[in-house]
Formats: sequence, C-alpha cells, structure tokens
Amino acid sequence: QKEVEQNSGPLSVPEGAIASLNCTYSDRGSQSFFWYRQYSGKSPELIMFIYSNGDKEDGRFTAQLNKASQYVSLLIRDSQPSDSATYLCAASGSSNTGKLIFGQGTTLQVKP
Amino acid sequence: DGGITQSPKYLFRKEGQNVTLSCEQNLNHDAMYWYRQDPGQGLRLIYYSQIVNDFQKGDIAEGYSVSREKKESFPLTVTSAQKNPTAFYLCASSRRGGPDETQYFGPGTRLLVL
Repeated sequence: QKEVEQNSGPLSVPEGAIASLNCTYSDRGSQSFFWYRQYSGKSPELIMFIYSNGDKEDGRFTAQLNKASQYVSLLIRDSQPSDSATYLCAASGSSNTGKLIFGQGTTLQVKP
Repeated sequence: DGGITQSPKYLFRKEGQNVTLSCEQNLNHDAMYWYRQDPGQGLRLIYYSQIVNDFQKGDIAEGYSVSREKKESFPLTVTSAQKNPTAFYLCASSRRGGPDETQYFGPGTRLLVL
C-alpha cells in the first residue's frame, strides 16, 4: 500500500515565526506533490504544488522536495493566526491516472 | 463564477436507505473524483472518472456507486451495503486525469446516519 506520512501534530508556533510542515512518501514513482490547507469543517484548498527537486516559493510559502529522500516540506514564514488549519500533503500515484494519495494532515496552531 | 458545487450540505440516511450526493462542475474539467474523510484522517479515494461514461474504483469503493453521463456531473450513491457511511464526502475535479494535474475541491457533503 502506497503511503504518505505526516505528523498529526498539533504543531504550535508563535505569530511571526516560521512553521515547518513535513511529509514523507513511499512510492518512488510519485511525480507531483501538493499541499492543501483545510480549515475546520471546510474543504481542502490548494496552497502549492511542486514537481522538481529543490525549493518553490510563493509569497510566504515555500515548498521543498527531495526525491532521493522521498521527503516534501512546506515552510510558512511570518505565520499568522489565520494560518491555523490542517495541512494535507498529497502525492501523485505512479500510474497515469491522476490519483492522489493523501497524508492524514498536520494541524498547525499559530498563537498570537 | 467557475467552480464545483456539492449538494446537499448535510444529508441524513436511515438504515437500509440509499442516498445520492450531487457533484457538479462548470470548469470544463475532464476528470472528477470522490473522496471520503473521517475525523482526524486524510482523504481516501472512493471512485474517479477521467472521461465521460468511464469510471474506476478507488481504494474504498465497496458500498458506493457512481455514474458519469455528463462531463459536468459525477453523482455518488451511498448504498445500504455501506455499513459505516458517516463521513465528510468531498468531490474534486482536475483539467485532465494526469499525475501533474491539480485537483480542486467542492465544499463537501456531511453524511450522518439516523
């Protein structure tokens, strides 16, 4: 069974700090990786996707991918209380179907 | 506005009853997906469809059925064979069904058993 693993948390950081969220995946054939944010009771919304090794930055968010270590991370700079949510990591399957494998999510709490 | 709509927002099912969850998109996306989310858990794939009139089982298809007669619509039926249906059901779509395609989610339907 292909898996995506995340620490469920909660991860607690003070306002203005950097939050670091981590994810590992088991399928070496996974090509694409996605980070979604999910507020309590709401549906997931896309934050970022990354396909290539290295870093990808978008505003306060940076996604990092290391395919050799099968590791994906999301950094949130200048964390705000509004960033408090569950962050879901997803990896594409190695088949060409568009199937995504989701981790269980990490709950982030940003304290004012 | 383009987007994905799901209805109803809340749905109550009685024992032995089949219920159907609606999912509609006007994004002109080819691929559509149904996921189930249990409290504190990630999303698990129920069914997906990459093209009209074709669909495939996901990881937890037992007790569910779908149809894809129109590009815009991908309804999910929760049958009486699904013994533990209480969950948050999420519909998603992507432009195509490839591994590099971003999936966008509807607002979800919360199903509760009476």
